[in-house]
Amino acid sequence: ETGVTQTPRHLVMGMTNKKSLKCEQHLGHNAMYWYKQSAKKPLELMFVYSLEERVENNSVPSRFSPECPNSSHLFLHLHTLQPEDSALYLCASSQDLTGAYEQYFGPGTRLTVT
Amino acid sequence: AQTVTQSQPEMSVQEAETVTLSCTYDTSENNYYLFWYKQPPSRQMILVIRQEAYKQQNATENRFSVNFQKAAKSFSLKISDSQLGDTAMYFCAFNAGGTSYGKLTFGQGTILTVHP
Repeated sequence: ETGVTQTPRHLVMGMTNKKSLKCEQHLGHNAMYWYKQSAKKPLELMFVYSLEERVENNSVPSRFSPECPNSSHLFLHLHTLQPEDSALYLCASSQDLTGAYEQYFGPGTRLTVT
Repeated sequence: AQTVTQSQPEMSVQEAETVTLSCTYDTSENNYYLFWYKQPPSRQMILVIRQEAYKQQNATENRFSVNFQKAAKSFSLKISDSQLGDTAMYFCAFNAGGTSYGKLTFGQGTILTVHP
């Protein structure tokens, strides 16, 4: 595997379910990000991790819980979601947090909350 | 807070022609980074081109070039010799660098369709 991978690619869950999204980067990067992409809205940054430490939580509801066990893996744990949480969730990584380097994106997980 | 505005929700162009996508941003920072990302239908978002604000020279990458006007806070993308594979959503993005924690602020996106 190369680049940034995400699993699953599609997920349908009820509002009472608990599920997790997984992201893995094979680029040796130190920073990882979760974004939410909704229709007709700009991408919204959710969380930022640097060397497994969370450095940014962009006012995300507590029903989204990130986890970064090491610099290559990032999870997004989901519980008691709402229908408006249906969106494409993108993971990205970059060499560091300086902003000078591009972010590499995964293919995303298409989440539908029923 | 930084904002990025893409005023063209949709654009279309004939194959082999040139098209320009607009982007304006608002910031009080002096040193920052600007990006254009491309998201093809059902495919991963990839970087098209990158500009550092302290560099006066406009970035170019093969058929892609930018017109960076720092004073006007404008960052447009020109695609020359358009190809069918250029059909995608294009996002302009801003990064303040420094203590912004790598945060990218994205515009709303422009859907570009290249017609044969």
